Amino acid sequence: AQSVTQPDIHITVSEGASLELRCNYSYGATPYLFWYVQSPGQGLQLLLKYFSGDTLVQGIKGFEAEFKRSQSSFNLRKPSVHWSDAAEYFCAVGSSNTGKLIFGQGTTLQVKP
Amino acid sequence: EAGVAQSPRYKIIEKRQSVAFWCNPISGHATLYWYQQILGQGPKLLIQFQNNGVVDDSQLPKDRFSAERLKGVDSTLKIQPAKLEDSAVYLCASSLTSRNTEAFFGQGTRLTVV
Repeated sequence: AQSVTQPDIHITVSEGASLELRCNYSYGATPYLFWYVQSPGQGLQLLLKYFSGDTLVQGIKGFEAEFKRSQSSFNLRKPSVHWSDAAEYFCAVGSSNTGKLIFGQGTTLQVKP
Repeated sequence: EAGVAQSPRYKIIEKRQSVAFWCNPISGHATLYWYQQILGQGPKLLIQFQNNGVVDDSQLPKDRFSAERLKGVDSTLKIQPAKLEDSAVYLCASSLTSRNTEAFFGQGTRLTVV
């Protein structure tokens, strides 16, 4: 069955500290992988995506993610977190044929001053 | 470029009432999705349109939910009658095609059923 697991429901980091949000997926074919961010009351904004090629993907707002096929993981990283990064983050796997997205349950990021 | 527009932003109804949500996708986008996001969960696909045809409605509770996409542009999602468990944010998204493209999301409609 296709699924996405985000093991950490809630993470708190200090401003300026590094961040890594974990994502593991289960998918039969070559996955298309995404990270979205959702601020309160807002829709989903795409941070970055992996379709093929270089397994280290750069996104907006200084985020990056690395696709590791052997570990079925697509972890999101940022070297220095800003207070404005506080939000909910969703990892998703997408069908290359239909575009349908399967989302993880999300990780809420809190940033301490 | 204008984004995906949804209305209303918020709706409160009593159980057993009906409700409708509207979505206007990005101009030229052939694929339109409706997702349901229950509090504390990730979004779940309800229905996907390619132009005005349904591609996937396997997760749509068809006894109470219906959706249409007239002329392959705007779309409406209806719930009749609503249940308490339908309380959620309903997100509309669109993409240029269904293959190899990113989906753009609207701000969503927050439905509360009391």
